[in-house]
Amino acid sequence: AQSVTQLDSQVPVFEEAPVELRCNYSSSVSVYLFWYVQYPNQGLQLLLKYLSGSTLVESINGFEAEFNKSQTSFHLRKPSVHISDTAEYFCAVSEAGFQKLVFGTGTRLLVSP
Amino acid sequence: EADIYQTPRYLVIGTGKKITLECSQTMGHDKMYWYQQDPGMELHLIHYSYGVNSTEKGDLSSESTVSRIRTEHFPLTLESARPSHTSQYLCASSGPGQGSTQYFGPGTRLTVL
Repeated sequence: AQSVTQLDSQVPVFEEAPVELRCNYSSSVSVYLFWYVQYPNQGLQLLLKYLSGSTLVESINGFEAEFNKSQTSFHLRKPSVHISDTAEYFCAVSEAGFQKLVFGTGTRLLVSP
Repeated sequence: EADIYQTPRYLVIGTGKKITLECSQTMGHDKMYWYQQDPGMELHLIHYSYGVNSTEKGDLSSESTVSRIRTEHFPLTLESARPSHTSQYLCASSGPGQGSTQYFGPGTRLTVL
């Protein structure tokens, strides 16, 4: 069975600072990896995903994540955050070929001026 | 933006009442899911469907039931609500193909008194 660990429940940063949100997973088979973002009182939205190919994936709003198979990690990074990036971020994994997602507990990113 | 809707957004109800949480999507997706999300916790899959007349229980045991009579509609029912059912319920859908994105509704926050 797969599992996802998000080590940080909350990450406070100042605006324009870089940030890294950590995600580690465990699985005995090939996986697909996802980052979802949840803004207050909203559902989850896909930020980016890794299925295959290049291990570095990027989102349209400046986030990127790198799949590291040896370290079973899929950390999310942004070189310069904005106030509007304040949200809950969830890492998720699914077995390749299956649709069911297993989510981590989430990391709350708090960006202050 | 994904077209997936949930009603009601908020529901406060007394113990023992029967409730139905509605979920509809207009994207023609075959796969639909229900997740339960408690504050500060990961999302847990409680039900999923891969098409009309197909429903399966998820990883987290739930006293709720679901039905899938139409592609676009995936309601969740609690026959007799209890305070332990207090939670946020998120509905999602996804299209064909491996690793396809799950699109989430805004959620229903249920409080059982």
